Amino acid sequence: YVLTQPPSVSVAPGKTARITCGGNNLGNKGVHWYQQKPGQAPVLVIYYDRDRPSGIPERFSGSNSGHTATLIISRVEAGDEADYYCQVWDSTTNHQVFGGGTKLTVL
Amino acid sequence: EVQLVQSGTEVRKTGASVKISCKFSGDSFTDYFYHWVRQAPGRGLEWVGLVDPEDGKTKFAEKFQGRVTMTADTSTDTAYLGLSSLKSTDTAVYFCATTLRGIGADGTEPFDYWGQGTLVPVAS
Repeated sequence: YVLTQPPSVSVAPGKTARITCGGNNLGNKGVHWYQQKPGQAPVLVIYYDRDRPSGIPERFSGSNSGHTATLIISRVEAGDEADYYCQVWDSTTNHQVFGGGTKLTVL
Repeated sequence: EVQLVQSGTEVRKTGASVKISCKFSGDSFTDYFYHWVRQAPGRGLEWVGLVDPEDGKTKFAEKFQGRVTMTADTSTDTAYLGLSSLKSTDTAVYFCATTLRGIGADGTEPFDYWGQGTLVPVAS
């Protein structure tokens, strides 16, 4: 199972960033999103398409329908600059799958 | 507070083996599956496999079959990753990460806790 993300997304501070993740019938799966800053381990920011772990700002939200899941970051801040990865469990192979990652640049 | 603390950098030559550890604390060790995820320099995240600490059962990504081992020691709350016949392309940071285990868990759970990563440079 393949998850496709754009390599990069740029956004001005205070604007809204949308990072997409594409996969066959992805809307039928639970998608998780991770934020990774340089030299650090990934951090879960959205799970099961749209739920936020405690401690993650409300500015982070998600959606998933059809063949595309989207991570939405509202009122983007400089500190949001990072790599973002989507991830699902592939029931066919019983394997975890990551998207290729998207580098978010805050202009 | 759950913590995963990994062992330090392991420098290896091609053809050698490596074993790295992931020490769990802050909750019940057997409430989680232990996964290993690697990241080559400048590249994305790649799932290597998982170990069930309850019975030692494992699942591996196909590309690692035959040269990867994963174990979990319930007496020390530590998970281990072993990789043999190392190649230069195995150079990466290896992370351990957990997903919830137990009644209702169906494999779709997110990676909720991560270790700090262990760098394994493989030189020819």
